[in-house]
Amino acid sequence: GAVVSQHPSRVICKSGTSVKIECRSLDFQATTMFWYRQFPKQSLMLMATSNEGSKATYEQGVEKDKFLINHASLTLSTLTVTSAHPEDSSFYICSARDPGPSGANVLTFGAGSRLTVL
Amino acid sequence: AQTVTQSQPEMSVQEAETVTLSCTYDTSESDYYLFWYKQPPSRQMILVIRQEAYKQQNATENRFSVNFQKAAKSFSLKISDSQLGDAAMYFCAYRGRYGDMRFGAGTRLTVKP
Repeated sequence: GAVVSQHPSRVICKSGTSVKIECRSLDFQATTMFWYRQFPKQSLMLMATSNEGSKATYEQGVEKDKFLINHASLTLSTLTVTSAHPEDSSFYICSARDPGPSGANVLTFGAGSRLTVL
Repeated sequence: AQTVTQSQPEMSVQEAETVTLSCTYDTSESDYYLFWYKQPPSRQMILVIRQEAYKQQNATENRFSVNFQKAAKSFSLKISDSQLGDAAMYFCAYRGRYGDMRFGAGTRLTVKP
């Protein structure tokens, strides 16, 4: 089945630094990837839709200058948290649309990245 | 905008028994997909079952089945013969034909031995 690899799984950084999270589709091409944020004991909140070869589409309230998304190839999207602050600490999950033979365009999720900003 | 509502923050079931998790949604679209995802403590999102809105027949996957009521915009998940490994957060999700996926608040399922 479709596999999405997300790296790193855990990252700790100092306040003011930038952190990059990678999301790769391993066995399929993903023209669209999605980035979610999940606070403890809460649901997944869509941050942005990453489109290969074009600008990402951000959800209302998400700072596009803080959360930079690049989707330079059909198998890789990156999320960079710039000038991170403790309130950016969270669990970030990426997903990719698997066109697959089923036709239901199921989203396959990465394992997530836990970001802790000190 | 589409919304997904899970009204049960927590549910508990005895091992080997059956439990039903509720989900309702709101949409003006006619063509969409509905999903149940499971998130165990590892935080990995795992697809449990999916339903295409145009299909009248309820989806089933082994011990998991759904009760899809399109007119009522209801999409409940039934877990039969519950196992300890079923304990997790369960999220109901909606996706339009070409859009992103929206999740409900989740239901934490506890399975008692």
